Amino acid sequence: GAVVSQHPSWVICKSGTSVKIECRSLDFQATTMFWYRQFPKQSLMLMATSNEGSKATYEQGVEKDKFLINHASLTLSTLTVTSAHPEDSSFYICSAENRGNQPQHFGDGTRLSIL
Amino acid sequence: RKEVEQDPGPFNVPEGATVAFNCTYSNSASQSFFWYRQDCRKEPKLLMSVYSSGNEDGRFTAQLNRASQYISLLIRDSKLSDSATYLCVVNLPPGGYNKLIFGAGTRLAVHP
Repeated sequence: GAVVSQHPSWVICKSGTSVKIECRSLDFQATTMFWYRQFPKQSLMLMATSNEGSKATYEQGVEKDKFLINHASLTLSTLTVTSAHPEDSSFYICSAENRGNQPQHFGDGTRLSIL
Repeated sequence: RKEVEQDPGPFNVPEGATVAFNCTYSNSASQSFFWYRQDCRKEPKLLMSVYSSGNEDGRFTAQLNRASQYISLLIRDSKLSDSATYLCVVNLPPGGYNKLIFGAGTRLAVHP
C-alpha cells in the first residue's frame, strides 16, 4: 500500500530553535499534503493544506509565519516550526493524497518537545 | 457545537464482549466517513470507510444514518489487541481537496 514517511520521529530541542519536519510520499505522487497537530488527549487538528507548487492554506488560528510549509515537489513537503517554544510541543502528523483520491495516507508522526 | 462529536469513554470491556461507539457530525454536506484507529503515541490508521448501506469487515460493522448525521462502529468478540482510541472522521464538502475533520476519539480498553 501507499507509504508516507515522516522524519524525524522525535525531536527534543531548546526554546528558540527552529525545527524542520519532512514528509515524503514514497510510492505515489502527493498532489496534496496535510499537516496536523495533536495535543495529549485531544483530536488531530488540521493546521494547513499544501498543494504542490503553490502556497499552503492555513486553518484559522494557525500562524503562517510561525509554521512555514513548503511543498516543492510531488513527493516532499516540509513543515518548519520557527523559534519554537514549549507551547509548540506536540505530535505533528502529515498525510498525503493523490488528486483527491481517498483515503489519505498518514506519516508516522513527529513528537516535538521544546524545553 | 463541535464538527464531529464522540463519547470519549473509556470503554472498559472484557475479551469477547461486543462494544458500540457512536459519533455525530454537524455538516450535512459531508460526503465521506471513516473510522480510524490510533494507538498510543502513534499515527492514526484507517480501520474502515463507512457507506450509506452499512458495511462489515470481519468483527467490525459500521453504519451511517445521513438523516440523523450519525455514524456508529460495532466491534464483536473484542480482542485484547482492539485496545486503542477509535476516531470518527468526516470530510468537509469538496473544495479542491479532501479536508478531514477528526473527532476527539473514543478510548477502548479490552481486558482479559
